[in-house]
Amino acid sequence: NAGVTQTPKFRILKIGQSMTLQCTQDMNHNYMYWYRQDPGMGLKLIYYSVGAGITDKGEVPNGYNVSRSTTEDFPLRLELAAPSQTSVYFCASSSRGGTGEQYFGPGTRLTVT
Amino acid sequence: QQQVKQSPQSLIVQKGGISIINCAYENTAFDYFPWYQQFPGKGPALLIAIRPDVSEKKEGRFTISFNKSAKQFSLHIMDSQPGDSATYFCAASDTGTASKLTFGTGTRLQVTL
Repeated sequence: NAGVTQTPKFRILKIGQSMTLQCTQDMNHNYMYWYRQDPGMGLKLIYYSVGAGITDKGEVPNGYNVSRSTTEDFPLRLELAAPSQTSVYFCASSSRGGTGEQYFGPGTRLTVT
Repeated sequence: QQQVKQSPQSLIVQKGGISIINCAYENTAFDYFPWYQQFPGKGPALLIAIRPDVSEKKEGRFTISFNKSAKQFSLHIMDSQPGDSATYFCAASDTGTASKLTFGTGTRLQVTL
């Protein structure tokens, strides 16, 4: 049971490039989340999903897109990368909403130059 | 808009001492208050959580105190150990909203020998 896995661990992008951050969970969780973590700012929710085929915006969705075609995978797409998207990105999953514990992946450190 | 305010930003405590981290929230719809612990290079992990129907919850050396009227809650770490050195995030959510967590900005705790 690997839990939540994220790839890549590190990535450097040039301004204007695009990329997809991969997130996979093997716990059969319906709920999945993408957060970004900036120094001194805590974690902010980008997008979330309550099940395959269902996604919704979080607090900071601009510049990102997501899809959820399977229960296991929840990729985050960055289009036209900007320096403001330099951050550490965390994917999380939960078996339920409400008080469901969120299990986090190890993160992807992205630098846009 | 910072809906969960956390203090202090950093904290140094001697081994065996008590670490106290405070959080305040604005949204009265919040009804679930977890604390997450994050070690360097890792994703956050749930440490302890409380619902507003109780004023205190204790798990081992970790205690959450909750003051609903003041809209404040705090984490107390008794007999702090060097292994407790990590960043701690308070969070809050409205359990009717897919467990979307709003995080505080984090407290970096260092426990010295």
